[in-house]
Amino acid sequence: DSGVTQTPKHLITATGQRVTLRCSPRSGDLSVYWYQQSLDQGLQFLIQYYNGEERAKGNILERFSAQQFPDLHSELNLSSLELGDSALYFCASSGRRGSSYNSPLHFGNGTRLTVT
Amino acid sequence: DQQVKQNSPSLSVQEGRISILNCDYTNSMFDYFLWYKKYPAEGPTFLISISSIKDKNEDGRFTVFLNKSAKHLSLHIVPSQPGDSAVYFCAASLNSGGSNYKLTFGKGTLLTVNP
Repeated sequence: DSGVTQTPKHLITATGQRVTLRCSPRSGDLSVYWYQQSLDQGLQFLIQYYNGEERAKGNILERFSAQQFPDLHSELNLSSLELGDSALYFCASSGRRGSSYNSPLHFGNGTRLTVT
Repeated sequence: DQQVKQNSPSLSVQEGRISILNCDYTNSMFDYFLWYKKYPAEGPTFLISISSIKDKNEDGRFTVFLNKSAKHLSLHIVPSQPGDSAVYFCAASLNSGGSNYKLTFGKGTLLTVNP
């Protein structure tokens, strides 16, 4: 158990809809990362938050947005959904206070989004 | 443009033998490399890492080798066990002032260890 919790595990919705994916990081971790894994693709970095502030952005679509709340949990909002948004969305956390700069990411089990 | 490439989608080995998983990268600025293991219906789990200042790092049955001149790294598993059967992802990051954890992943290699 990585200590990272993602909800829901599965989500089925229709095109044009909006969904929210939720992530609770490992206790004490300050950074949250969102990754997307589409079919036959590696994990694509979307966005990183550190202690409530956006830290880095990857190939995140404008239809997608995220935030990290004061209790450090994070939400990824996906709107105007298209069929191609169907994927596994992973959240990861790292960065406990005092930890090594190169401490690895700890991943949750992902949310499988299916857009029909 | 894929900066981290795992050219073998799958690999099958016999229990007890060595498994060698390969990874190539194109960005010479990458300075930290990791291997993750992923079982079905679970998230990736960190396995082993190596800094660009080293050429080898060992942890039990797992050893990662880094050849910077060739922009190549490999993961050796000796001896391989059936429980090692999983998808292995190679990942790389570059130190860019706080974005160190923006990992770039390969597409993964499915390792099957046959009893």
